[in-house]
Amino acid sequence: DVKVTQSSRYLVKRTGEKVFLECVQDMDHENMFWYRQDPGLGLRLIYFSYDVKMKEKGDIPEGYSVSREKKERFSLILESASTNQTSMYLCASTTVERVQPQHFGDGTRLSIL
Amino acid sequence: GEDVEQSLFLSVREGDSSVINCTYTDSSSTYLYWYKQEPGAGLQLLTYIFSNMDMKQDQRLTVLLNKKDKHLSLRIADTQTGDSAIYFCAETLLTTDSWGKLQFGAGTQVVVTP
Repeated sequence: DVKVTQSSRYLVKRTGEKVFLECVQDMDHENMFWYRQDPGLGLRLIYFSYDVKMKEKGDIPEGYSVSREKKERFSLILESASTNQTSMYLCASTTVERVQPQHFGDGTRLSIL
Repeated sequence: GEDVEQSLFLSVREGDSSVINCTYTDSSSTYLYWYKQEPGAGLQLLTYIFSNMDMKQDQRLTVLLNKKDKHLSLRIADTQTGDSAIYFCAETLLTTDSWGKLQFGAGTQVVVTP
């Protein structure tokens, strides 16, 4: 089975801090994604990566950056956390065969105080 | 851009059938997915259907696709308390630059009552 692991289930940070969310997958997937989930809005794509060191902006990239130095690891960075970035963050991965579904981690619930 | 729309809430009695509805707007060839999210967890893939199919059945789950109306539904037979969750409809586009991106609906909260 595919395993997508997010480093923290719950995280509390302060406004202005630099925050790192880590995601690791064990199935050698090429594509990895970061979403945020807010009530009534579903999942919105922040960034995705289709290869090591490659990244593409999603629908809401402002205030975020990403890093993919190794194929199995995709990091989401909040350069200067703000309260409106309090949310549930979900990581997903999939193969280059686009018909294959995305596999999700359990999510990180991030609170910015 | 594409929009995927779902109703936000559904209440159903244990043992009854649940029907969760979704509409999508893109007319290209596409895969349509149903994901389930239990409290505090990530998304679990339930089933998916290609846009040239009308129906797919998998145990208690039946997916129906009306291509003309761009309407997708998920029917859960004999609904159990363990089916209480948020259900997301999602669409992926088979274009050269889609990279397997998914467009999600807002999710339907299903509450199963005894």
